Amino acid sequence: AQTVTQSQPEMSVQEAETVTLSCTYDTSESNYYLFWYKQPPSRQMILVIRQEAYKQQNATENRFSVNFQKAAKSFSLKISDSQLGDTAMYFCAFRRNTGTASKLTFGTGTRLQVTL
Amino acid sequence: KAGVTQTPRYLIKTRGQQVTLSCSPISGHRSVSWYQQTPGQGLQFLFEYFSETQRNKGNFPGRFSGRQFSNSRSEMNVSTLELGDSALYLCASSFGATNEKLFFGSGTQLSVL
Repeated sequence: AQTVTQSQPEMSVQEAETVTLSCTYDTSESNYYLFWYKQPPSRQMILVIRQEAYKQQNATENRFSVNFQKAAKSFSLKISDSQLGDTAMYFCAFRRNTGTASKLTFGTGTRLQVTL
Repeated sequence: KAGVTQTPRYLIKTRGQQVTLSCSPISGHRSVSWYQQTPGQGLQFLFEYFSETQRNKGNFPGRFSGRQFSNSRSEMNVSTLELGDSALYLCASSFGATNEKLFFGSGTQLSVL
């Protein structure tokens, strides 16, 4: 079974600053996906960024980037130039890369507050 | 394209009742999965359907069931409701059966009194 751990329940960052959210995971799989999802007060889970485990290059999506350390089983999210709209719960998630499995295993989340 | 639509947004039931939640996936998506979100247990996988077949099931009691119709719309049913079933139920859809991105709806907030 896979586990995902987010050790920061809450974080705060000032607008325009950079913040890094931590995530570690445990799995015996070698082929998998990792995700960061954002859940604003509207409750809809929004995909922020996705990383394929077999790719060494860290994924980047505009102001969002990850630091993927496969050997250490670490997957942190860096948000640059933070904006008020980034205020939300952020969930790290794991998914096996098999022919049929689409089940996501989520961490407990980090509540990010962006302040003026 | 319309997103994933879940109805109703809010629901209040009493213990012992049953409830049915609905999810309409993005047009063209054939895979639908369901998640339960609670403050205590976090996000937990309930089940996944593809082309009307349940392909994967989480660790929930038999009171939780679901189905998918030929138009890919999905319903989940919870019978004999318990207080602990109070949660946000999220539905997600994807185009295929493998590892496409999941798109989530805004959920149904179920309160059991």
